Amino acid sequence: KQEVTQIPAALSVPEGENLVLNCSFTDSAIYNLQWFRQDPGKGLTSLLLIQSSQREQTSGRLNASLDKSSGRSTLYIAASQPGDSATYLCAVRPAYNNNDMRFGAGTRLTVKP
Amino acid sequence: DAGVTQSPTHLIKTRGQQVTLRCSPKSGHDTVSWYQQALGQGPQFIFQYYEEEERQRGNFPDRFSGHQFPNYSSELNVNALLLGDSALYLCASSPGVREQFFGPGTRLTVL
Repeated sequence: KQEVTQIPAALSVPEGENLVLNCSFTDSAIYNLQWFRQDPGKGLTSLLLIQSSQREQTSGRLNASLDKSSGRSTLYIAASQPGDSATYLCAVRPAYNNNDMRFGAGTRLTVKP
Repeated sequence: DAGVTQSPTHLIKTRGQQVTLRCSPKSGHDTVSWYQQALGQGPQFIFQYYEEEERQRGNFPDRFSGHQFPNYSSELNVNALLLGDSALYLCASSPGVREQFFGPGTRLTVL
């Protein structure tokens, strides 16, 4: 059974810092991995989608990497801003059962001005 | 394009009651998935609908049921509500198994 873990659970950084959020998964047989942002009480906004054949994806100040063999993905945020404060979730779609997405519990990020 | 929409935004029910949540997918999307997100947790997959059929189901009891209409919109029904059903219910749509787009969610409180 695919398990997704995100560490740390919470992170507080001063504005302008570069930071890395971590996601690990137990089964390397994945179809894709997706990073989401969630503001309090709101829905999920897709940030980056990495297909199983890809190693990384970039969008603006965000860069996500994928290492299937080690069961890890990282989300790199450059030059953090207070507006980046939110919970960041990673989700894995298994290769053998790709109708079902498995989510981590998220990392709650606070960027202090 | 309005994106994925859900109604209602908030709902308060009492134990034992029944509730229906609604979802309209993004234009061009034929697949709708439902998730339950408890406070402080990641979303958990309830089920997915495609071509008006439940294609896959997560580890949820039969009290949770759904429906998809010919226009691809979907409903989630929960019977015999329990306190533990209090959560944010998220709907996501996609064109098949590609990238999912999520709605704003419905906050259900069971008293």
